[in-house]
Amino acid sequence: EPEVTQTPSHQVTQMGQEVILRCVPISNHLYFYWYRQILGQKVEFLVSFYNNEISEKSEIFDDQFSVERPDGSNFTLKIRSTKLEDSAMYFCASKLPRVYSVGNYGYTFGSGTRLTVV
Amino acid sequence: EDQVTQSPEALRLQEGESSSLNCSYTVSGLRGLFWYRQDPGKGPEFLFTLYSAGEEKEKERLKATLTKKESFLHITAPKPEDSATYLCAVQEETSGSRLTFGEGTQLTVNP
Repeated sequence: EPEVTQTPSHQVTQMGQEVILRCVPISNHLYFYWYRQILGQKVEFLVSFYNNEISEKSEIFDDQFSVERPDGSNFTLKIRSTKLEDSAMYFCASKLPRVYSVGNYGYTFGSGTRLTVV
Repeated sequence: EDQVTQSPEALRLQEGESSSLNCSYTVSGLRGLFWYRQDPGKGPEFLFTLYSAGEEKEKERLKATLTKKESFLHITAPKPEDSATYLCAVQEETSGSRLTFGEGTQLTVNP
């Protein structure tokens, strides 16, 4: 079964450093997302990306965050200057448009990157 | 105001003891309601999508149902391997394709 792949699985960084989280979505999917989950809290939407541009972003996704799809397969989330409160699990997700989906349609999530800011 | 509320927060069952998890939602227009399973340290694993009141979907020991205000995930004769956190998420008509998640129900099935 196709998977969304995320690397690294765990990243430790010092406060103020830049980090790049990487994702390889399912190859024929067209919509891409980043979510995060702070320990013990709910999964929160960060940003959606379609047709090589941001289609929607949440209040969390401020100027410190950016996304890119540099080569048609990878999808990255960059945090320019990390803060302690950025420590969380970051999940990448992808999906097809519903009209192209058959059966039980849904968003596919990766296994996540655990970001620890010290 | 919470848009998606799941109950109970935690549920302990004996193997074979059937039960239901609840997801209440408040949205202006529902495009879809999604159920996911999440194991510790892992990403959400897709289970079901429901689109309209009255719809039901089944997979092995799980059955999801939807009304205009809530969804239920029924677990029949659960096994220890069903232990996980079950997440409910909604996609609203007015919010693009983002999902809004509930807090989840942590299910433990004892042998």
